Amino acid sequence: QVQLVQSGAEMKKPGASVKVSCKASGYTFTGYYIHWVRQAPGQGLEWMGRIDPKNGGTNYAQRFQGRVTMTGDTSITTAYMELNTLKSDDTAVYYCTRDRAVAGDFWGQGTLVTVSS
Amino acid sequence: QSALTQPASVSGSPGQSITISCTGTSSDVGAYNYVSWYQQHPGKAPEVMIYGVSNRPSGVSNRFSGSKSGITASLTISGLQAEDEADYYCNSYTSKGTWVFGGGTKLTVL
Repeated sequence: QVQLVQSGAEMKKPGASVKVSCKASGYTFTGYYIHWVRQAPGQGLEWMGRIDPKNGGTNYAQRFQGRVTMTGDTSITTAYMELNTLKSDDTAVYYCTRDRAVAGDFWGQGTLVTVSS
Repeated sequence: QSALTQPASVSGSPGQSITISCTGTSSDVGAYNYVSWYQQHPGKAPEVMIYGVSNRPSGVSNRFSGSKSGITASLTISGLQAEDEADYYCNSYTSKGTWVFGGGTKLTVL
């Protein structure tokens, strides 16, 4: 069965970086894009970007360009999202989701990242 | 990329039908048949209910249906049930190869 299991909650100070992992299992990791979506407390879903695990190709939302890096390690079927220069409004739950037919068909459980001094 | 436009809230009584609209532009909703809809219960991850404008994943009730006309997509839920009470988000592929979500709609079952 398809599963995406994310790393645990993180607490960071402003200006720091965070790296969230998304371990995929139950399918061919290189066969599907992985997207990252975040949700600030009480707010809606926001698309951050996606990675093609087959070749590492990425496409980021303009507002995160220069601050986000998405990578994948095919040897351990894990995708990563690193966000730099954290601000308080980066406090959110971060989700990874598998892209099938241009939709997120399976989602990770979410990782809460709290940015506070 | 601006968010797609959804009503903030809709409501309906059990057994009734409701429709949630999702308005985009000619660069996203109007350009591609890649509109999807997600249901999210509090504290849970989103779950896809519709993909490719009108396709239902296996296991999703046929009470959920999707359509599109021009730059506006719609999600209809018929035979409302208490368990349908949740937040709903539309999503579209864009001409830049990115995704964009709607602001979300809170569905209340009266």
